[in-house]
Amino acid sequence: DAKTTQPPSMDCAEGRAANLPCNHSTISGNEYVYWYRQIHSQGPQYIIHGLKNNETNEMASLIITEDRKSSTLILPHATLRDTAVYYCIVREGPDRVGGTYKYIFGTGTRLKVLA
Amino acid sequence: DTGVSQNPRHKITKRGQNVTFRCDPISEHNRLYWYRQTLGQGPEFLTYFQNEAQLEKSRLLSDRFSAERPKGSFSTLEIQRTEQGDSAMYLCASSLVSGKLFFGSGTQLSVL
Repeated sequence: DAKTTQPPSMDCAEGRAANLPCNHSTISGNEYVYWYRQIHSQGPQYIIHGLKNNETNEMASLIITEDRKSSTLILPHATLRDTAVYYCIVREGPDRVGGTYKYIFGTGTRLKVLA
Repeated sequence: DTGVSQNPRHKITKRGQNVTFRCDPISEHNRLYWYRQTLGQGPEFLTYFQNEAQLEKSRLLSDRFSAERPKGSFSTLEIQRTEQGDSAMYLCASSLVSGKLFFGSGTQLSVL
């Protein structure tokens, strides 16, 4: 099961900041928080990831609380093209030698950017 | 375009038929993943390859499903004796050793 909980949907006015929350209260010390988004009929697209510190790239900013139990993805100036489902994922480590990191997706937040 | 490529984009088949999907990962990526996604749900992990070795399989992957990555490059996912419950989007992703996943656009399977 996914280690994250997100609101099922949010609206945001075009040009305003979109703040998408995520709870991950059971995150372990070495587990990263990843954000992906999925636009209709396409595969998920990587946005950003972080461990402890806040991160920023050309797409978004990621704010992680000091206790790491929650985070917020910020799209600074939302456009209509940002309408998508946003997934917050705690990347779980390999559970055995030869295993892989596990990206377990929940149901995400459906963000609708309004004109 | 040097992203992950999946073919076909859409597949319609009759129940009981076999289907095969292909995934071409980003060329330098040694890790390849298959996921399945049904309507309204997030992608679910199916299986994982490191080079040509299939190292992990989900319990979701029944014995009607088989995946291969013969030379550590492209991969195929075959479903035998398809059932209506197999209707879903099948997504492929690739990555470097511990890096982020890059997804393809998926193959949408409809079983009639």
